[in-house]
Amino acid sequence: EAGVAQSPRYKIIEKRQSVAFWCNPISGHATLYWYQQILGQGPKLLIQFQNNGVVDDSQLPKDRFSAERLKGVDSTLKIQPAKLEDSAVYLCASSLGLMDRGETQYFGPGTRLLVL
Amino acid sequence: QQQVKQSPQSLIVQKGGISIINCAYENTAFDYFPWYQQFPGKGPALLIAIRPDVSEKKEGRFTISFNKSAKQFSLHIMDSQPGDSATYFCAAGGSNYKLTFGKGTLLTVNP
Repeated sequence: EAGVAQSPRYKIIEKRQSVAFWCNPISGHATLYWYQQILGQGPKLLIQFQNNGVVDDSQLPKDRFSAERLKGVDSTLKIQPAKLEDSAVYLCASSLGLMDRGETQYFGPGTRLLVL
Repeated sequence: QQQVKQSPQSLIVQKGGISIINCAYENTAFDYFPWYQQFPGKGPALLIAIRPDVSEKKEGRFTISFNKSAKQFSLHIMDSQPGDSATYFCAAGGSNYKLTFGKGTLLTVNP
């Protein structure tokens, strides 16, 4: 079974530039998550989709971050404009979507972003 | 507000020893407590999880101990191996299906 795919794996940009990350979840998984993992910290949920609807985006900095999940499969996360403090690993995860609090989340390898 | 506090930040154990990582939570609405293992350059992967209706869960060399009254839970790795060297995250989840992660523990198992 293929895992969660993410691209690119690494990205270096200048501050105030824009960047986009792509995620392809495990086939059949209805729930998709984007996390931000700053060096030395645990993952922090940015946004959660159930199919193509947003379940939780309370920690998404909406003035600069946006995300979409068209057709309920792939998703993109965009930052525009980027700030130095956005340097982090951006993790995508997916789960079956049964809305069971004990549901396993499967993580992709992440995209490491460095903002200079 | 850090809702899940994890300690220690780093841990060095000899091969064959016991590794113990502790977590404490504040929100009594949490009712799902997973542990994730992360190797460098990889995403976290679920290791073991527990719900508050049991005080202990064991899977192979990995055991979660849960103390509901103290709002604490811990991961024990028995017979630690060099291949267990990784970063371990505890997390807590509740009715909103969102996981709140601890800051992680870097475990090094020396051969």
